[in-house]
Amino acid sequence: GQNIDQPTEMTATEGAIVQINCTYQTSGFNGLFWYQQHAGEAPTFLSYNVLDGLEEKGRFSSFLSRSKGYSYLLLKELQMKDSASYLCAVQNNAGNMLTFGGGTRLMVKP
Amino acid sequence: KAGVTQTPRYLIKTRGQQVTLSCSPISGHRSVSWYQQTPGQGLQFLFEYFSETQRNKGNFPGRFSGRQFSNSRSEMNVSTLELGDSALYLCASTGHGVRELFFGEGSRLTVL
Repeated sequence: GQNIDQPTEMTATEGAIVQINCTYQTSGFNGLFWYQQHAGEAPTFLSYNVLDGLEEKGRFSSFLSRSKGYSYLLLKELQMKDSASYLCAVQNNAGNMLTFGGGTRLMVKP
Repeated sequence: KAGVTQTPRYLIKTRGQQVTLSCSPISGHRSVSWYQQTPGQGLQFLFEYFSETQRNKGNFPGRFSGRQFSNSRSEMNVSTLELGDSALYLCASTGHGVRELFFGEGSRLTVL
């Protein structure tokens, strides 16, 4: 089976940095994804990690430690439009099936 | 390039009825997956189809079924609807050499 945990809610200030953590326990691992989902909209892809280390993409970075079953998403220079839910998902070895965590709702305040 | 298209966007059914949802993937994508999203359970995997064959199946009862056509379009069906089936049903597609899933806007089902 697979279990993925992430905080339910976080609040941060515009212009600041926030780190959203994700821990996972899986029977197989073929990569970890982060998705962003604004209320009432489709999830959109942010990042993918399959090897240990940091992947940087503009204001967003994602880190993976496979030995610890741990990942984080780092958002820099927060903007109001970053208020959304952030979903951590693990791809196991079978096709394109993703197992999602419950999502972290981030509120960015002025 | 058009995105993933799901129809209908909203629908209301009553308990015991059945419903069919449709998904058109991004052109060239042959893998289509379905997910159920609810406030309590989050996003849960239903099934994945690739080249008209079910490749993976989640832990949902047999009332939930799907199929994929030769043009990669997919449908999912839920029979004997229950109140707990009220959810946002998301379809996602991906293709060869593409690692991420592209999601549609979803079909929001309300069961009364």
